[in-house]
Amino acid sequence: AQTVTQSQPEMSVQEAETVTLSCTYDTSESDYYLFWYKQPPSRQMILVIRQEAYKQQNATENRFSVNFQKAAKSFSLKISDSQLGDAAMYFCAYSPKYNNNDMRFGAGTRLTVKP
Amino acid sequence: DVKVTQSSRYLVKRTGEKVFLECVQDMDHENMFWYRQDPGLGLRLIYFSYDVKMKEKGDIPEGYSVSREKKERFSLILESASTNQTSMYLCASSPYHQGAPLHFGNGTRLTVT
Repeated sequence: AQTVTQSQPEMSVQEAETVTLSCTYDTSESDYYLFWYKQPPSRQMILVIRQEAYKQQNATENRFSVNFQKAAKSFSLKISDSQLGDAAMYFCAYSPKYNNNDMRFGAGTRLTVKP
Repeated sequence: DVKVTQSSRYLVKRTGEKVFLECVQDMDHENMFWYRQDPGLGLRLIYFSYDVKMKEKGDIPEGYSVSREKKERFSLILESASTNQTSMYLCASSPYHQGAPLHFGNGTRLTVT
């Protein structure tokens, strides 16, 4: 079974600085999707960014970008120019290509942003 | 925007009670999910449904059942609540296509005493 590991239970960053959250996964598949979700203190989980494994180019969404290393099975999230509103739990997730009913989540990283 | 609505944000129930958690989505999504969220464990799938009256067990279905009588509504049932079911419960929905992200509700914090 696929597993997703987030090795950093907590991270902190100074406002306006850059932080990178780590994620590794285990799979025998060659094609799949990877996601980062954000869960602010209000609790509704929202999608931050999505990466398709067959695409070489790293996905970006404004201040959020990923470093996707397929061979290393690594999918880190970089947040640039951190803002107070970025404070949240961040979850990394994996989904097989042909079965989006089997999304697997990491344990999460709690990000604190210091003013 | 997709809206996924969970009927309660906080619930307190007694051991042995039957508990219903309701979830409604307004985007005609085929897939609906119930997850349990516990610190250090991330999200674990309890059950999912890909169509009306269809359901599949996830990783931790024991002690739970589900019902999907209408496409927009997916209910999680705790037949006899126990203290180890105290947790955050998240409902989610998605369309049935490759790589579709999940859309989550606000969550229900259930405490069983």
